[in-house]
Amino acid sequence: GQQLNQSPQSMFIQEGEDVSMNCTSSSIFNTWLWYKQDPGEGPVLLIALYKAGELTSNGRLTAQFGITRKDSFLNISASIPSDVGIYFCAGQDFGNEKLTFGTGTRLTIIP
Amino acid sequence: KAGVTQTPRYLIKTRGQQVTLSCSPISGHRSVSWYQQTPGQGLQFLFEYFSETQRNKGNFPGRFSGRQFSNSRSEMNVSTLELGDSALYLCASSPPGEGDGYTFGSGTRLTVV
Repeated sequence: GQQLNQSPQSMFIQEGEDVSMNCTSSSIFNTWLWYKQDPGEGPVLLIALYKAGELTSNGRLTAQFGITRKDSFLNISASIPSDVGIYFCAGQDFGNEKLTFGTGTRLTIIP
Repeated sequence: KAGVTQTPRYLIKTRGQQVTLSCSPISGHRSVSWYQQTPGQGLQFLFEYFSETQRNKGNFPGRFSGRQFSNSRSEMNVSTLELGDSALYLCASSPPGEGDGYTFGSGTRLTVV
């Protein structure tokens, strides 16, 4: 099945560092979503983006909807231990409930 | 308010058997979607139900089926289980007209031996 290209695949950072990850698609989407998944749990929505070029923040998280509508970016500032987990992007077409997910970015914080 | 509830949390089945997984959406949510998550293929869309009707279907064989009841609860069924069906099966519900309002359950971990 289709997956969006997400990079990096994994990140090892120290607490307090900023994090950047991105997601690209060969097709356009009308909505971009970013989720975080903890072990043994389902994904939890972090940020939703609805318009090309839109920049949206949620606390230390900032995400952008690429102007081509084929990509999106997520930044996490001043990382803390609870940021550890797997981050997924997801694209959604207008009027379609189906989400197409990225391959995921695993974030690990080194003590 | 209660979240999306999936039962059971863990399941072990033998090849060739069939399995039924259950999902209770958030009260008021009428759309229920199912996803399969595996290390190799990631999160893949299975199907989506709204008002007891299947609206969308992913690229899975006919062994994977689902249904939705009048109270919006949903079940998915996998028949003739294969080893490759071992996965985390996630259910998500959303209120009408708000696709981004997706809330996922904790999933059912299915192991086929």
